[in-house]
Amino acid sequence: EIVMTQSPATLSVSPGERATLSCRASQSISSNLAWYQQKPGQAPRLLIYGASTRATGIPARFSGSGSGTEFTLTISSLQSEDFAVYYCQQYNNWPPEFTFGPGTKVDIK
Amino acid sequence: EVQLVESGGGLVQPGGSLRLSCSASGFTFSSYEMNWVRQAPGKGLEWVSYIGSSGTLYYADSVKGRFTISRDNAKNSLYLQMNSLRAEDTAVYYCARDWGSYINAFDIWGQGTMVTVSS
Repeated sequence: EIVMTQSPATLSVSPGERATLSCRASQSISSNLAWYQQKPGQAPRLLIYGASTRATGIPARFSGSGSGTEFTLTISSLQSEDFAVYYCQQYNNWPPEFTFGPGTKVDIK
Repeated sequence: EVQLVESGGGLVQPGGSLRLSCSASGFTFSSYEMNWVRQAPGKGLEWVSYIGSSGTLYYADSVKGRFTISRDNAKNSLYLQMNSLRAEDTAVYYCARDWGSYINAFDIWGQGTMVTVSS
């Protein structure tokens, strides 16, 4: 099983600042990585797939990068609605053994 | 509007069974791969099961042999039959649409249905 790790567990950021979230895979997953945002009491929302492609309707302040085992989600200028938990997910293997990272909580500094 | 709506959650005793449903609307359900993903209270996300548009089935090891995923394209519905339930199956269960084209990212999610396994 591919194990996903995320750092930091919690990131305290002021509105308007840049946030950088990291995700690491235990083995190479090429660019088969997605990022999700989840707010309390809500379902996750797809932000990024293919490591760097924004999903439909996702603002340009969200960007993804990386390949292989190291990935980054950057929020260029945090808005109030961006404070949430962010998960990465790999979908490299077939048959599927899709796995998620433990999440990074972005809260208000 | 593209939408997924889950139902069927509730309180069940250990060893019991439950069947979850997910009703799809606003898109051609039969053309999409679908998944179930769960989230235990206060915890992260865990993929549970996948069903392809042609009916191919896959499961996480944690539920293999106990859960069965199925779909009824005529009813635009996805199902999860859960047997031999354990306390550790307690979670919000989400159905999620696969983006497709070998990109197994989940682009549409339902609101979730809560399953509590407890005596």
